[in-house]
Amino acid sequence: GAVVSQHPSWVICKSGTSVKIECRSLDFQATTMFWYRQFPKQSLMLMATSNEGSKATYEQGVEKDKFLINHASLTLSTLTVTSAHPEDSSFYICSVQPPYMGGYTFGSGTRLTVV
Amino acid sequence: SQQGEEDPQALSIQEGENATMNCSYKTSINNLQWYRQNSGRGLVHLILIRSNEREKHSGRLRVTLDTSKKSSSLLITASRAADTASYFCATDPNTGNQFYFGTGTSLTVIP
Repeated sequence: GAVVSQHPSWVICKSGTSVKIECRSLDFQATTMFWYRQFPKQSLMLMATSNEGSKATYEQGVEKDKFLINHASLTLSTLTVTSAHPEDSSFYICSVQPPYMGGYTFGSGTRLTVV
Repeated sequence: SQQGEEDPQALSIQEGENATMNCSYKTSINNLQWYRQNSGRGLVHLILIRSNEREKHSGRLRVTLDTSKKSSSLLITASRAADTASYFCATDPNTGNQFYFGTGTSLTVIP
């Protein structure tokens, strides 16, 4: 089956530092990957659509300079939270639609805590 | 922006009972999907129903879709304690290829 690997699964960082989260499709190529954020007890919110070889498309209200997305290959997208602040603490999760499936496959998520 | 809303927000039932969750959405869609999320974990795809389908079954799951009312329901029959999780609907609008999640229903199945 389609597997999406997300790393790290959790990270604690100090305010002002940057954190990179990786999302890899392990057995298929993905020209498009999606990044979501989920605050405690809330639903997932789409942050941006990552497009291989081109700029990401950000949802309204998401700061593109703060959440840098790079999709340099067909199997890897990265989300970098720059100059992290405590309010960026959240659960970040990526998803991909494998070419032979109707649904989407999700990474296991990254819990970011900024202290 | 959020596309869907789910009802109820929280549901607590006894093991063996059926659980019904509803999802409403705003725009026309290609398909609607239901996902399950255990606390603090990633999502698991449960079932997809296309806009031209009205009902779909998968094991103990039954999903209905009413495009005229822009709503869907997920029924879990003969619930088990292991079904305790949050359940989300997600819509794939027919503009663009991203999709949006509903607010989720937190289901607790009491052994």
